[in-house]
Amino acid sequence: AQSVAQPEDQVNVAEGNPLTVKCTYSVSGNPYLFWYVQYPNRGLQFLLKYITGDNLVKGSYGFEAEFNKSQTSFHLKKPSALVSDSALYFCAVRDMDSNYQLIWGAGTKLIIKP
Amino acid sequence: DSGVTQTPKHLITATGQRVTLRCSPRSGDLSVYWYQQSLDQGLQFLIQYYNGEERAKGNILERFSAQQFPDLHSELNLSSLELGDSALYFCASSDARTENTGELFFGEGSRLTVL
Repeated sequence: AQSVAQPEDQVNVAEGNPLTVKCTYSVSGNPYLFWYVQYPNRGLQFLLKYITGDNLVKGSYGFEAEFNKSQTSFHLKKPSALVSDSALYFCAVRDMDSNYQLIWGAGTKLIIKP
Repeated sequence: DSGVTQTPKHLITATGQRVTLRCSPRSGDLSVYWYQQSLDQGLQFLIQYYNGEERAKGNILERFSAQQFPDLHSELNLSSLELGDSALYFCASSDARTENTGELFFGEGSRLTVL
């Protein structure tokens, strides 16, 4: 069965420091991987995706993610965190066995402290 | 603004009641998805419609039903409500290009509270 895991419920980072939000996946075949962000009282917003090609994917708001096939990971990164990055982050993988629906991680709450 | 509109934003009702949540997708998007977000179960896919037809079904209870109308708006009907149905219900849409890659556009959700 295909799955995605976000091992950290919460990540705390000081403003200006680099941040990493972790995601690992388990799929058969080549993965389609996504990161979405949910700000308080808002819907989810697409940040970036990996389909194929360069392992380092750049997305919105200065975020990037690194696809690592050998470690089956797709960690979200940003070189310098902003307080406004505080939000809930979801990793997702496309389920090729179930009509291409997205399988979602449980979400990681990112808190950036001034 | 994603372009996806959901109404109502907030809804408080009692157990046993029935409610209808409405979603208008982005202009031109044929696919509509419904998700439930609760504290204990995270984000759960409920159902997808494409151009009026049901395309995929997820963890949707029998008490829940949905449809997509000719103008492409969608409604999610929740009946015989229980306390555990209290959650944030999201609608998302996609077009042919973004559906192929899995990119979805989400509304701001309808928060349902069952008392």
